[in-house]
Amino acid sequence: AQSVSQHNHHVILSEAASLELGCNYSYGGTVNLFWYVQYPGQHLQLLLKYFSGDPLVKGIKGFEAEFIKSKFSFNLRKPSVQWSDTAEYFCAVNPLGGSYIPTFGRGTSLIVHP
Amino acid sequence: GAGVSQSPSNKVTEKGKDVELRCDPISGHTALYWYRQSLGQGLEFLIYFQGNSAPDKSGLPSDRFSAERTGGSVSTLTIQRTQQEDSAVYLCASSPISLGQGAYEQYFGPGTRLTVT
Repeated sequence: AQSVSQHNHHVILSEAASLELGCNYSYGGTVNLFWYVQYPGQHLQLLLKYFSGDPLVKGIKGFEAEFIKSKFSFNLRKPSVQWSDTAEYFCAVNPLGGSYIPTFGRGTSLIVHP
Repeated sequence: GAGVSQSPSNKVTEKGKDVELRCDPISGHTALYWYRQSLGQGLEFLIYFQGNSAPDKSGLPSDRFSAERTGGSVSTLTIQRTQQEDSAVYLCASSPISLGQGAYEQYFGPGTRLTVT
């Protein structure tokens, strides 16, 4: 069965620091990739997605992610975090040709200190 | 437009009671998912509906859990004889899946927080 690993479970940063959250998956074929964010007290929402094309994907609020097929990775980055980025971040993967049920990572809790 | 809605937002029930959780997906979305979110455990897939096809129930943890989707729209998740380990946030998501292209992004509801005492 496919799996999705988010190695950083808890990340604490100061404002203006750079952010990189890791996401690795186990499936070897073509995949759709997602990052979702859950701000405190809010519901999960899409941050960005990759289906095909340019492996560097830009999302909302200055976030970007890079798909590196050879490393089975889809890491999330932001050059300078803000206090408002404090949230839970989830990576999700769905292999094409299989079920339409994405597999989610366990999530990374990000706390940004002002 | 309206997003995914879920009701109730909070439910406290006694062990052994049955509960029903409701999800109203975004109009026109053919795919509907139920997940369970426990603290520090990420999202646990429960069940998936796609159009008029038979649902994928592979994630249901026991036969106490069931779900239905009426008219391709509203869905109800039922938990019978609730146990304390059922306490969690139950999330519903809908998606405008395009067959052959894999899963599209999901639109999540606010969730129902279930507490079994």
